[in-house]
Amino acid sequence: NAGVMQNPRHLVRRRGQEARLRCSPVKGHSHVYWYRQLPEEGLKFMVYLQKENIIDESGMPKERFSAEFPKEGPSILRIQQVVRGDSAAYFCASSPTTDSLISTIYFGEGSWLTVV
Amino acid sequence: DQQVKQNSPSLSVQEGRISILNCDYTNSMFDYFLWYKKYPAEGPTFLISISSIKDKNEDGRFTVFLNKSAKHLSLHIVPSQPGDSAVYFCAASKRGATNKLIFGTGTLLAVQP
Repeated sequence: NAGVMQNPRHLVRRRGQEARLRCSPVKGHSHVYWYRQLPEEGLKFMVYLQKENIIDESGMPKERFSAEFPKEGPSILRIQQVVRGDSAAYFCASSPTTDSLISTIYFGEGSWLTVV
Repeated sequence: DQQVKQNSPSLSVQEGRISILNCDYTNSMFDYFLWYKKYPAEGPTFLISISSIKDKNEDGRFTVFLNKSAKHLSLHIVPSQPGDSAVYFCAASKRGATNKLIFGTGTLLAVQP
């Protein structure tokens, strides 16, 4: 998938633990997006970040979820005190700039979170 | 509030025949539409897109049609091949929305040899 690297691919957490999902965008891409896919549903937008800035977090749950994209290193999606309903596939995507065609958004292979 | 809908959860087609996947949307502000293909345990892969100023876009075996008055788009795959078997997602975006994509729920296409 054009170089967007996500890890871990699979993560199992007990209720109440924290989950951290990492995303390294395509080299040279400075825009990162996180999407969540619940079972039997389509992908839902969560957050859009540029380096060190959250641009649009309209899809993020108000509590327990946070995201960052530091100057150095991968983007991190953090879920605190996980609950069963957080079990889902989390996809990261990146693009060069927002002026680029939307079709140049590349998705990673996803991180599957299972809360037991 | 499902702004992008794919009402057929699955579709089965014979190899060599045409596959037609449908998508409806409710928000008239959407101005760009995309189709993604997704295999199990992988991320979505971009397939083809269309701007709202057009009514058709073609790329090889894939053609997307847009009917703005009906708020409907469709993806035609001809001829269908077994390797096309996957889940197909329709997605939409609106100007100024920072590339935020609104996805449908997907249609599982099975192409029978």
